[in-house]
Amino acid sequence: GAVVSQHPSWVICKSGTSVKIECRSLDFQATTMFWYRQFPKQSLMLMATSNEGSKATYEQGVEKDKFLINHASLTLSTLTVTSAHPEDSSFYICSAPGYSTNEKLFFGSGTQLSVL
Amino acid sequence: GQQVMQIPQYQHVQEGEDFTTYCNSSTTLSNIQWYKQRPGGHPVFLIQLVKSGEVKKQKRLTFQFGEAKKNSSLHITATQTTDVGTYFCAGNTGGFKTIFGAGTRLFVKA
Repeated sequence: GAVVSQHPSWVICKSGTSVKIECRSLDFQATTMFWYRQFPKQSLMLMATSNEGSKATYEQGVEKDKFLINHASLTLSTLTVTSAHPEDSSFYICSAPGYSTNEKLFFGSGTQLSVL
Repeated sequence: GQQVMQIPQYQHVQEGEDFTTYCNSSTTLSNIQWYKQRPGGHPVFLIQLVKSGEVKKQKRLTFQFGEAKKNSSLHITATQTTDVGTYFCAGNTGGFKTIFGAGTRLFVKA
């Protein structure tokens, strides 16, 4: 089946620094990828939809200048948390639909971000 | 906006007991998907339901999609300790966007 690779798996950074998270589709092309945020014991909250070759679509309440998304190729999307603060500490996870709309989602393994 | 409600939030069962989680959408769905997330892991796709009134089975798991395509359920017969995790329903209204329910955490006591 389709594989989505995400790294790093975990990152610890100082407050004020920026962190980049990469999400790659390994054996298929993903024109669309989704970025979710998950707090402990809570559901996945959709942050933004990453579109290859165009601007990302952000959900209401998500700061686009804070969470920069770049989808430069059909297999790579990146999320950069800029000027990270402790409240940004969370589990970030990307996903891509298999082959078409309404398709099941293939998830990356997630990135646990801890901001000190 | 679209909302997907899921209950219960958590459930403790004795191994061998049955378990059911329910999902309800505020809008009609084009499909509903179910995922399982083990502690510390990422969600893993279980199944997708598309047709009104659809029922699908995977061994001890039975999935149902309501006639109005607004609700769904997952039933596990005779739970095992390996069933431990959080079960999420996820609704799709026709585009790429998938909205997740809050999830039901299942605890199974041996």
